[in-house]
Amino acid sequence: AQSVTQPDIHITVSEGASLELRCNYSYGATPYLFWYVQSPGQGLQLLLKYFSGDTLVQGIKGFEAEFKRSQSSFNLRKPSVHWSDAAEYFCAVGEGNTGNQFYFGTGTSLTVIP
Amino acid sequence: KAGVTQTPRYLIKTRGQQVTLSCSPISGHRSVSWYQQTPGQGLQFLFEYFSETQRNKGNFPGRFSGRQFSNSRSEMNVSTLELGDSALYLCASSETGFLYEQYFGPGTRLTVT
Repeated sequence: AQSVTQPDIHITVSEGASLELRCNYSYGATPYLFWYVQSPGQGLQLLLKYFSGDTLVQGIKGFEAEFKRSQSSFNLRKPSVHWSDAAEYFCAVGEGNTGNQFYFGTGTSLTVIP
Repeated sequence: KAGVTQTPRYLIKTRGQQVTLSCSPISGHRSVSWYQQTPGQGLQFLFEYFSETQRNKGNFPGRFSGRQFSNSRSEMNVSTLELGDSALYLCASSETGFLYEQYFGPGTRLTVT
């Protein structure tokens, strides 16, 4: 079955530390890949996207993500976390090969400690 | 540009009733998609409308329906509400389609009692 997996339900990091959030997907072809962030009581904000080309993509708020086809992964990274980064992060996949569908991972909740 | 707006923000309904939620996309965006977010099932795609036509549909029962108007505003309707329909309903708009860059509204929190 097609799926998007975020193995880490919750992550706690210290302010200023580096961050990596994992995302794996299971599809036959290269899908469109996204990372969204959701703050409490808010909608989703797009952090970055990958459609094709350079496998390292830069996003807003200092985030970046790397697409690795061989690992079916699209991990999100940030070199230095700020307290305002505390939120829920969702990996998402747009898949157009077997009927257009859009799938979200289950999310990773990030806590930042001072 | 103004962002995606959704009305109402909060709604309480009784089981068996029906409800209509509204979404106004970003100006110039012709694609509007709807998503359901629940603690148990997470974020799930409901359907996408593009230029007044339903273009894609997720795996939800027929009780969930929608429409889009000529000004791209969209409504989502849920008939015969069930307790399990309690959720945050998110609307997103896009210039080209839901497989590409989407901008989300703040959502409508529906509680079914």
